[in-house]
Amino acid sequence: KAGVTQTPRYLIKTRGQQVTLSCSPISGHRSVSWYQQTPGQGLQFLFEYFSETQRNKGNFPGRFSGRQFSNSRSEMNVSTLELGDSALYLCASSETSGVGQFFGPGTRLTVL
Amino acid sequence: GQQLNQSPQSMFIQEGEDVSMNCTSSSIFNTWLWYKQDPGEGPVLLIALYKAGELTSNGRLTAQFGITRKDSFLNISASIPSDVGIYFCAGQAAGNKLTFGGGTRVLVKP
Repeated sequence: KAGVTQTPRYLIKTRGQQVTLSCSPISGHRSVSWYQQTPGQGLQFLFEYFSETQRNKGNFPGRFSGRQFSNSRSEMNVSTLELGDSALYLCASSETSGVGQFFGPGTRLTVL
Repeated sequence: GQQLNQSPQSMFIQEGEDVSMNCTSSSIFNTWLWYKQDPGEGPVLLIALYKAGELTSNGRLTAQFGITRKDSFLNISASIPSDVGIYFCAGQAAGNKLTFGGGTRVLVKP
């Protein structure tokens, strides 16, 4: 089976812009979670989608949003980008809740 | 909220040595996971633990789910150069939200 794929791998944006990141989970996995990784805050949970519904949400502002499509692919959107949004954004998929999650390679977002 | 304390923050290894790292939590988790992350890549799942007291091995790696459900450790036996990287513990309570430790950076002794 192919692993979790994320596109694009690298992205440079300027403050105030918005960005959309994409994640394709492992075939058959219905849960997709998003995480933000920064040197200062480490790995932090953004949200989880299961069967096109947001099931869990972390403590991030409303500028961070996501969605999941019927084929389980997911997108996350960040609006009105700030310098502090520069991070590695990781997507993880799993079959159901409560089992190990498998991560993609991440999208490195740089906000100038 | 939940916090995971992972230690040590960094360690130097010499080829052939055994290494240990652990995580402690202020709350209970239902699942403990251990990941390794190489530069520029996402974390790779090494071991998943689902029951308190469970001891699981994956090659030279051994991990245990603490009996109190608030801690876990990871051992690497007979370390080799490719063991270098950052190791993360993660606890999972209800749902699929993972709470991560701060990571243990494993480096090679000069």
